[in-house]
Amino acid sequence: DAKTTQPNSMESNEEEPVHLPCNHSTISGTDYIHWYRQLPSQGPEYVIHGLTSNVNNRMASLAIAEDRKSSTLILHRATLRDAAVYYCILRDPRGNQFYFGTGTSLTVIP
Amino acid sequence: EPEVTQTPSHQVTQMGQEVILRCVPISNHLYFYWYRQILGQKVEFLVSFYNNEISEKSEIFDDQFSVERPDGSNFTLKIRSTKLEDSAMYFCASIKLEGETQYFGPGTRLLVL
Repeated sequence: DAKTTQPNSMESNEEEPVHLPCNHSTISGTDYIHWYRQLPSQGPEYVIHGLTSNVNNRMASLAIAEDRKSSTLILHRATLRDAAVYYCILRDPRGNQFYFGTGTSLTVIP
Repeated sequence: EPEVTQTPSHQVTQMGQEVILRCVPISNHLYFYWYRQILGQKVEFLVSFYNNEISEKSEIFDDQFSVERPDGSNFTLKIRSTKLEDSAMYFCASIKLEGETQYFGPGTRLLVL
């Protein structure tokens, strides 16, 4: 399973943008980059995913480096509800299971 | 919006007892998964299931564990003889097609005494 490296924790002020980094230097050409988050006492929740191009959805944006060895999840305006552990996961399309790392615990300060 | 459901939300059992954790995946999904998360640790893959058979399993998924899809809606995880170290949150997930994003249930918190 391909490895990702994320900071253990980050803080953000409410209503400000948050950039959550992820390094994945051993990514292969076919690995998709997925982001999930886990709110306290809940199951993981899909946030966004991409392969090469930057992606936007209603929850967040995903910026992928040109060499694909890193990516950044962008929450445009953090709310208190965004406080969660954010996981960056690489998924080989030949296999469907996800291998979670330890993630980044995001604290949003009112 | 369709969602994955799991029952019970909490289960307390004595060491050595059998437990069955139940999941109802999203109705038109075809691939099913179990994960577990020991308190304070990361989410760990246990097993994937497709077309009524296990497609992949991790080292954690030993002979004490089994999975079944007994009917068209339920997907179960059985632990035959629970150990203290089986205490964890157990999450079920499902997808419709290979390669799609996974939808997770809310989890069952299992406590083995």
